[in-house]
Amino acid sequence: AQRVTQPEKLLSVFKGAPVELKCNYSYSGSPELFWYVQYSRQRLQLLLRHISRESIKGFTADLNKGETSFHLKKPFAQEEDSAMYYCALVPSGTASKLTFGTGTRLQVTL
Amino acid sequence: EPEVTQTPSHQVTQMGQEVILRCVPISNHLYFYWYRQILGQKVEFLVSFYNNEISEKSEIFDDQFSVERPDGSNFTLKIRSTKLEDSAMYFCASSVGTGTSPQHFGDGTRLSIL
Repeated sequence: AQRVTQPEKLLSVFKGAPVELKCNYSYSGSPELFWYVQYSRQRLQLLLRHISRESIKGFTADLNKGETSFHLKKPFAQEEDSAMYYCALVPSGTASKLTFGTGTRLQVTL
Repeated sequence: EPEVTQTPSHQVTQMGQEVILRCVPISNHLYFYWYRQILGQKVEFLVSFYNNEISEKSEIFDDQFSVERPDGSNFTLKIRSTKLEDSAMYFCASSVGTGTSPQHFGDGTRLSIL
């Protein structure tokens, strides 16, 4: 069975500081990895997925199969980045069930 | 931008009563999902639905739960006889395809069982 671990419940950084939200996974195959974000009083929304190799709102995430990690990074945090961030995994193939981590609350302060 | 809509936003029900949570997925999406999040815990998969049948379900999704797409737009989750532990936020999601296709979530329905 697959599992996603986000070790930090809360990450507090100053505006302009670098951000790294950790995500590790366990899955025997090649998973699809995602980061979802939930801003205050808003719905869960997709931030990025590893297959796209894109940067959204300055965030990037690299899949490291050796370390089974998919950490989310941003070089300079902004106040509007404050939100709940969830790492999620879908098993490879046709399955589409998302397995979520417990989430990390990012708090960006002045 | 099209959105997944869920009603009601908050449902309060007596234990043992039946409850139906409603969702309208994005119109051109073919895959539909229900997830739940008990307060303070992670989002958990309940069930996925495609081509008018369940494609996958979790251990949580026992005989008390059922899903239906009664018409071309609605997707419902029914809990037959609610228990206190069913209190949670229930999220509906939809996607165009599987795998890397992003799932789009609704705002959720907060279900409170008394």
